[in-house]
Amino acid sequence: AQSVAQPEDQVNVAEGNPLTVKCTYSVSGNPYLFWYVQYPNRGLQFLLKYITGDNLVKGSYGFEAEFNKSQTSFHLKKPSALVSDSALYFCAVRDMSRSGGGADGLTFGKGTHLIIQP
Amino acid sequence: DAGVIQSPRHEVTEMGQEVTLRCKPISGHDYLFWYRQTMMRGLELLIYFNNNVPIDDSGMPEDRFSAKMPNASFSTLKIQPSEPRDSAVYFCASSFPGQGGETQYFGPGTRLLVL
Repeated sequence: AQSVAQPEDQVNVAEGNPLTVKCTYSVSGNPYLFWYVQYPNRGLQFLLKYITGDNLVKGSYGFEAEFNKSQTSFHLKKPSALVSDSALYFCAVRDMSRSGGGADGLTFGKGTHLIIQP
Repeated sequence: DAGVIQSPRHEVTEMGQEVTLRCKPISGHDYLFWYRQTMMRGLELLIYFNNNVPIDDSGMPEDRFSAKMPNASFSTLKIQPSEPRDSAVYFCASSFPGQGGETQYFGPGTRLLVL
């Protein structure tokens, strides 16, 4: 079975400071990893993903994430937070060994509320 | 591209009534997913389709839930009869795996309240 843990329900950061939202995962095989963001009363917006290759992945709105296989982590980062980054962030995983070359459903973490204070 | 389209955006119904949620995936995407989001359980996969065929429905909570995809551009999720515990936000997502590492694109969701 695959799982995702987001250990922090809420992260508070001052505007202009760097931010980190933590994510650890568990899969049987190799992972596909994703970060999504959800604004109030909206759907999930894709931020970035790790498939293979470079462990540092860059995504939308200045976000990046680093894949660490030994620590089974995929933390989301941004060098300088904006008030507009305040939202709910979800980490998701799927085991790439499932479903052959096709797609599969994602397993999501519980989400982390990111609050950027002016 | 219009993105994934879901209707209705909000639905309020009474216990025992039939509820039908609708989804139009992004054109060309051959995978369609239905998820449910609640405070207690977070985001859960209910069912997904590939080329209109259901592949995994192990997340469908009960026989009261059913989903169909009659063609590549339309899917429905039906709850009959509905119960208060079905109140949640239901999301539809679509993807095109291509070379692998597919990204799922989500619709805006249907917020369901069963009284």
